[in-house]
Amino acid sequence: GAGVSQSPSNKVTEKGKDVELRCDPISGHTALYWYRQSLGQGLEFLIYFQGNSAPDKSGLPSDRFSAERTGGSVSTLTIQRTQQEDSAVYLCASSLNEQRYEQYFGPGTRLTVT
Amino acid sequence: LAKTTQPISMDSYEGQEVNITCSHNNIATNDYITWYQQFPSQGPRFIIQGYKTKVTNEVASLFIPADRKSSTLSLPRVSLSDTAVYYCLVDAPGYSSASKIIFGSGTRLSIRP
Repeated sequence: GAGVSQSPSNKVTEKGKDVELRCDPISGHTALYWYRQSLGQGLEFLIYFQGNSAPDKSGLPSDRFSAERTGGSVSTLTIQRTQQEDSAVYLCASSLNEQRYEQYFGPGTRLTVT
Repeated sequence: LAKTTQPISMDSYEGQEVNITCSHNNIATNDYITWYQQFPSQGPRFIIQGYKTKVTNEVASLFIPADRKSSTLSLPRVSLSDTAVYYCLVDAPGYSSASKIIFGSGTRLSIRP
């Protein structure tokens, strides 16, 4: 079956612009995560969706970051008024349920803010 | 919060067994230990998960001592394709907030011919 997909694969934007990053999780997976990975660094947790529960937003670095998950499937991460420090690879992952036994990652979106 | 510590980098040769150790002194009762592998320009990929003693699958073994304050990922007979970054995670699936998931900086493993 299809894995986790993300779009776009690359995004270059000017400082101050808004961007939207999309994630399509594996069908049937109820848990969805967003992470950020700066060059040569580990993964930084951003936000977690599980079923119909309120999302865990505790990792979002500022109020410029927000995310939605529509119909329990596709998720969109929005960054408003982008800054150069937002440049990173944004990774999405899904897992079967809240047990988080195994996370399946997408290929990521490389965001460059100029 | 269970912080993990891993070596920044390791080198080995094809055909050798590689052991990567992760320290997690503050591991909690409900925590599991999970290892992921990441190749350049790709998302991490699940390798193995365990709670105690030893777990083995088709690609690796995971050794966890009785006190669970460390764990060792063992890769048998590595090949060039095992060159990647390996992350150790300590997490309590279903028991804690997802913000407890901390990947850390990982161990960069380089395999030489």
